[in-house]
Amino acid sequence: ETGVTQTPRHLVMGMTNKKSLKCEQHLGHNAMYWYKQSAKKPLELMFVYSLEERVENNSVPSRFSPECPNSSHLFLHLHTLQPEDSALYLCASSQETGVQPQHFGDGTRLSIL
Amino acid sequence: QQPVQSPQAVILREGEDAVINCSSSKALYSVHWYRQKHGEAPVFLMILLKGGEQKGHEKISASFNEKKQQSSLYLTASQLSYSGTYFCGTSGSARQLTFGSGTQLTVLP
Repeated sequence: ETGVTQTPRHLVMGMTNKKSLKCEQHLGHNAMYWYKQSAKKPLELMFVYSLEERVENNSVPSRFSPECPNSSHLFLHLHTLQPEDSALYLCASSQETGVQPQHFGDGTRLSIL
Repeated sequence: QQPVQSPQAVILREGEDAVINCSSSKALYSVHWYRQKHGEAPVFLMILLKGGEQKGHEKISASFNEKKQQSSLYLTASQLSYSGTYFCGTSGSARQLTFGSGTQLTVLP
């Protein structure tokens, strides 16, 4: 139990589908993150939220849409994805943004057909 | 720009030592180390801030040389449980982390 829970663990979707990834943290943290992890590539930071406000958007295509309704929950809404979007999507949280240990969830393995 | 980790992979026997390096081309404020086992979440190991300090976590320690813009992770008397992929994440003035590609460590009995 890492304190950060992601659902679903696995997701297969077609390029025209709309789906959402969910992340919930039980650590009382104020910052939450979405990362993309592709095979043999470094972790790529996608979005950062601090106290429910987006503070970082690393040139992510608009087909990925984050939502942070409160400091415990983070969503990643997906629509019209491409095959190259297949990857492991990791959520993380930390007490604050900046130089803080990040606690990761187990990730959602996304496959685009 | 992402930090460069070396080696990309290392295989060692239980009880042997290993060093993993992380180098950046830009000035660093902090270096973070994580370990990820297959199918699991990355787990935080330690943070080093500029100042050249060395930190330890059981038999795993790390150093940070801000002049050389690099950090090294030292695994002493490795155990089977040390197997996994080790990532360094670096931050500059922007404070957001940029991760290296990882070093896959395999400890054999």
